[in-house]
Amino acid sequence: LAKTTQPISMDSYEGQEVNITCSHNNIATNDYITWYQQFPSQGPRFIIQGYKTKVTNEVASLFIPADRKSSTLSLPRVSLSDTAVYYCLVGDANSGYSTLTFGKGTMLLVSP
Amino acid sequence: DTAVSQTPKYLVTQMGNDKSIKCEQNLGHDTMYWYKQDSKKFLKIMFSYNNKELIINETVPNRFSPKSPDKAHLNLHINSLELGDSAVYFCASRQGQGGDTQYFGPGTRLTVL
Repeated sequence: LAKTTQPISMDSYEGQEVNITCSHNNIATNDYITWYQQFPSQGPRFIIQGYKTKVTNEVASLFIPADRKSSTLSLPRVSLSDTAVYYCLVGDANSGYSTLTFGKGTMLLVSP
Repeated sequence: DTAVSQTPKYLVTQMGNDKSIKCEQNLGHDTMYWYKQDSKKFLKIMFSYNNKELIINETVPNRFSPKSPDKAHLNLHINSLELGDSAVYFCASRQGQGGDTQYFGPGTRLTVL
């Protein structure tokens, strides 16, 4: 299983763009990169998933370089409600077995 | 309507007791999971079921026994509860065995005294 490494915590202010980088040096050919968000006392919630280059949805963008050994979750103009833990996961999206392993995540604190 | 629901939300019990946590998903998904999140916030998969069949059974004590009466339900029964079982347990579901996204329930906070 590809192990992921991400910062334990990050601080930001409202309105700023936040970029959270995740390292996954041992990513396999069939692995996808997925980010989840978890608020206190709630279950994780899917944010975005990608395989290579750039993916964008209404919530975030995901940048993946050509070597795929890292990825960056970009949150545009964060608000206080974006304070949460963000998990980077790497796994085979087509595997018959769940290979999603949650790491420690990044605690993002957004201040006024 | 809640996509993945769990009951109870909170569960406080004594060591040695047996308890169950129920999970239901109304998304029509084929695969369901149980995760345990400990006090350090590590979220670790415990079991995975696909169409009522066990496909993943991580290293958990055999005091934990999942049961899937149908593909919309995956219940977790825990025998002889121990202090170390205190955690938040999350149920999740996903369409198919891979790909797509997992939808998590609200969690059940289990406290063993």
